[in-house]
Amino acid sequence: QKEVEQNSGPLSVPEGAIASLNCTYSDRVSQSFFWYRQYSGKSPELIMSIYSNGDKEDGRFTAQLNKASQYVSLLIRDSQPSDSATYLCAVNNDMRFGAGTRLTVKP
Amino acid sequence: KAGVTQTPRYLIKTRGQQVTLSCSPISGHRSVSWYQQTPGQGLQFLFEYFSETQRNKGNFPGRFSGRQFSNSRSEMNVSTLELGDSALYLCATTRDLQHNEQFFGPGTRLTVL
Repeated sequence: QKEVEQNSGPLSVPEGAIASLNCTYSDRVSQSFFWYRQYSGKSPELIMSIYSNGDKEDGRFTAQLNKASQYVSLLIRDSQPSDSATYLCAVNNDMRFGAGTRLTVKP
Repeated sequence: KAGVTQTPRYLIKTRGQQVTLSCSPISGHRSVSWYQQTPGQGLQFLFEYFSETQRNKGNFPGRFSGRQFSNSRSEMNVSTLELGDSALYLCATTRDLQHNEQFFGPGTRLTVL
């Protein structure tokens, strides 16, 4: 069974702090990794995709991938209350999603 | 560029009925995937279509089916509805098989009474 696991949360950080979201996956041959953000009552929206080992930065967001450890993470720098949402990790084309981590950024 | 559209947005059915949901992809997107989202099970993959062919299928019973038309629009059908089918049904589209960043539609909220 191919699994995607996320730290269950909820995660609460103060405004301006770094939020760290983690995801592990079981299928060693996975090639594509994605982070989605889902606000309550809305559909998921793509934040980042990453395909190679290392870091990928986009504004305040950094995705980190370590295929040897089967681990992908998302860092949100200078967290804002508007970042409060559920963050979903997804793996590969059949898009196995983790259960999501709910993040709350407190003003 | 218009986003992914899904119709209807809300639907109420009773047990035993069937339902058809529709998804129109972003212009130029040829792959359509369907997901079921519930509070207890999270986001679960139903199936993926590309060029009118089902490429992948999740672990759902045969009551759940889908198809894709030549214009890439897709429909999914659920027959003999059960209470547990109440969920948000999301479709997501990608440009092709090499670009697999998915863009989600707003979803169809199905309630089975």
